[in-house]
Amino acid sequence: EPEVTQTPSHQVTQMGQEVILRCVPISNHLYFYWYRQILGQKVEFLVSFYNNEISEKSEIFDDQFSVERPDGSNFTLKIRSTKLEDSAMYFCASRRDRGTIQPQHFGDGTRLSIL
Amino acid sequence: EDKVVQSPLSLVVHEGDTVTLNCSYEVTNFRSLLWYKQEKKAPTFLFMLTSSGIEKKSGRLSSILDKKELFSILNITATQTGDSAVYLCAVVAQANTGNQFYFGTGTSLTVIP
Repeated sequence: EPEVTQTPSHQVTQMGQEVILRCVPISNHLYFYWYRQILGQKVEFLVSFYNNEISEKSEIFDDQFSVERPDGSNFTLKIRSTKLEDSAMYFCASRRDRGTIQPQHFGDGTRLSIL
Repeated sequence: EDKVVQSPLSLVVHEGDTVTLNCSYEVTNFRSLLWYKQEKKAPTFLFMLTSSGIEKKSGRLSSILDKKELFSILNITATQTGDSAVYLCAVVAQANTGNQFYFGTGTSLTVIP
């Protein structure tokens, strides 16, 4: 069964550095998402992406964050000038159809630790 | 302001017990409600509910939605240790350019042998 893959599984970075989290969504999916889950807290929506542009973003997704689909398969989340509070599990998800409701399929996540 | 509220926050039961997990919501332009099971890593999809009163069932798990009272329940019968996980409820609402997913905090279920 096809699945969403994320790399790396764990990223440790010094505060102030830039990180890029990578995701390969399921190949025939059209809608892509990034979520964040701080340890012990709920899953928080960051951004959704469709047709090569951001379709929705939350208040968390400020100028520090950006997303890109550089080729036909990868979907990346860039975090500039990381802060301690950016430490969290970051999940990528994808969904097949925009019009009808389909469940999202999640990747295993990247654990980001900011030192 | 929480749009999706799950209860209880945590639950410890013995194998064989039946549990009921609750999810209440308040969103504009509701489209559907989803249940996920999250173990160590990614949430895995369990059910999607769009219509009131129609039970979805998969083995020992079942779920139902009440769109009038704005809640859903997830039932697990004859619980097993493998059911130990965080169960997430997510509500899909129509947003400006697509669908937005709102997650609850989850219910942490621990099943003791």
